[in-house]
Amino acid sequence: KAGVTQTPRYLIKTRGQQVTLSCSPISGHRSVSWYQQTPGQGLQFLFEYFSETQRNKGNFPGRFSGRQFSNSRSEMNVSTLELGDSALYLCASSSRGGRDEQYFGPGTRLTVT
Amino acid sequence: QKEVEQNSGPLSVPEGAIASLNCTYSDRVSQSFFWYRQYSGKSPELIMSIYSNGDKEDGRFTAQLNKASQYVSLLIRDSQPSDSATYLCAVKASGGTSYGKLTFGQGTILTVHP
Repeated sequence: KAGVTQTPRYLIKTRGQQVTLSCSPISGHRSVSWYQQTPGQGLQFLFEYFSETQRNKGNFPGRFSGRQFSNSRSEMNVSTLELGDSALYLCASSSRGGRDEQYFGPGTRLTVT
Repeated sequence: QKEVEQNSGPLSVPEGAIASLNCTYSDRVSQSFFWYRQYSGKSPELIMSIYSNGDKEDGRFTAQLNKASQYVSLLIRDSQPSDSATYLCAVKASGGTSYGKLTFGQGTILTVHP
């Protein structure tokens, strides 16, 4: 089985711009979770989607949003980028998002200048 | 108090030794526990999951869970230089507000020297 894929792998944006990141889960997985990883804060949960519905959301401002499509692929969007949004953005897929295991994609490295 | 805490490290062990990584968590209703390995510049890779009290072994790795003490650990036997990485403990609570959410510790950097 192919693993989780994320595009793009690297991105450089300017403050104030917006960005959209994409994630394709493992075939058959219906839950996609997004995380932000920074050296200072570590790995922090952004949100989770299952069957095109957001079921859970972390403590991030409304500038961070996402969606999931009928084929379980997911996108996340960050509007009005700030320097502090520079991070590795990771998506993880799991079968149902319950107690089952999550598998991470390679991540998207976002740099905001 | 942080929700998930790991021994601060960095941890350095000689090749062939046992590396012991520890993690405590604050939420008593947590039900699922995971260990991830993250090499520098890479994404986290799942190496172990454990759901019940006791030990779970997979090759050179053993995860131990004690829910009463809110403690989970990872032992790596016969440590190899290729085991040098950051090890992340992740905990998942039960209930609707926990859907898809793993709470991570800050990670422990392990170095295995020849």
